[in-house]
Amino acid sequence: GAGVSQSPSNKVTEKGKDVELRCDPISGHTALYWYRQSLGQGLEFLIYFQGNSAPDKSGLPSDRFSAERTGGSVSTLTIQRTQQEDSAVYLCASSLGGAGSNEQYFGPGTRLTVT
Amino acid sequence: AQRVTQPEKLLSVFKGAPVELKCNYSYSGSPELFWYVQYSRQRLQLLLRHISRESIKGFTADLNKGETSFHLKKPFAQEEDSAMYYCALASISNFGNEKLTFGTGTRLTIIP
Repeated sequence: GAGVSQSPSNKVTEKGKDVELRCDPISGHTALYWYRQSLGQGLEFLIYFQGNSAPDKSGLPSDRFSAERTGGSVSTLTIQRTQQEDSAVYLCASSLGGAGSNEQYFGPGTRLTVT
Repeated sequence: AQRVTQPEKLLSVFKGAPVELKCNYSYSGSPELFWYVQYSRQRLQLLLRHISRESIKGFTADLNKGETSFHLKKPFAQEEDSAMYYCALASISNFGNEKLTFGTGTRLTIIP
């Protein structure tokens, strides 16, 4: 079946503008993750959704970052008043969830450039 | 708190030579470790996990709890092994969910 998809693939925005990044997980996957991949920083965990449980937002770097997951499927990551340091590749991943260590399947990412 | 350390940002190895990508971790619980790989212009994907004890594309990794390491090894490097490699540790968060903590990655280049 189809893998994790993300849109847009590239986004260039001016400093101070808001952006929305979208993630469509694999059908049937209850767990969804957002990561940020910056040069020299590796993969930084941002937020995690599991079913209808309260999300784990412990990785969000500031209150300018927020995310929603509607209907247990599609997720949107919103960055308000973007700053240049927000420039990075934002990756979404999904997994089966539940007990045990489940493989995470990654999307192609959205490359965000803040000018 | 859990941490994953990959001390080498860049590693160059000649084709046919052995490869070892280092990974060290710190975690108070029982660790579950993974190696993920990202080939050029491809998505990040799982390479192997320690509980499987399998060899994938000739790579193996042994969990050494005494040294808190999970180094990735391959006896004879191939050009197609050139990629970015991430070591990851699974842990249970304060919210009760499983999350992965990734290292900063090692870019492996195989020299023909």
